[in-house]
Amino acid sequence: KNEVEQSPQNLTAQEGEFITINCSYSVGISALHWLQQHPGGGIVSLFMLSSGKKKHGRLIATINIQEKHSSLHITASHPRDSAVYICAVHNTDKLIFGTGTRLQVFP
Amino acid sequence: KAGVTQTPRYLIKTRGQQVTLSCSPISGHRSVSWYQQTPGQGLQFLFEYFSETQRNKGNFPGRFSGRQFSNSRSEMNVSTLELGDSALYLCASSLVGQGLNEQFFGPGTRLTVL
Repeated sequence: KNEVEQSPQNLTAQEGEFITINCSYSVGISALHWLQQHPGGGIVSLFMLSSGKKKHGRLIATINIQEKHSSLHITASHPRDSAVYICAVHNTDKLIFGTGTRLQVFP
Repeated sequence: KAGVTQTPRYLIKTRGQQVTLSCSPISGHRSVSWYQQTPGQGLQFLFEYFSETQRNKGNFPGRFSGRQFSNSRSEMNVSTLELGDSALYLCASSLVGQGLNEQFFGPGTRLTVL
């Protein structure tokens, strides 16, 4: 079993829909990252959080340390949100990555 | 502020050769981490350098090595290339260390081993 699990693996949505991507982990962590990877490979850091909730524009990230679970929400999704979203946890001085969620948003 | 740069962007090598990849971090960032991304294994941590010292290492064979210079630029080297080394190699820089700060990723070097 992977130490970091993401669901779903693939997600399609219509423009405007509310989207949730989930991340569960089985190890102790000091921080959790949400990353976005566009076709071509470039990765952008969206959030780093160790407790509670963070919001940036239409993106919201939450974490529940007790339940070892984090969610990434996208409100009013747009075709430009189409990308792979990757959850990564900081454990014993290294990052452990989930396998990613591929999101496609259609107009 | 210039972002993280990686050179070269694309590389084709044959089995048995060696390769050196370069990463220039954002000015002022002292930590550089390297990652390998493959379709089968996803993203995996290779190693992290901080102030010219390797601070942490992932589970990769000794053919994978790296170093960091006094200006924080980093190189990674893969010797005796194998077909399975074909991957996107990403570096990321941060102020003090991976995981504890926002990571800024470079565009990656896509290595193909024939």
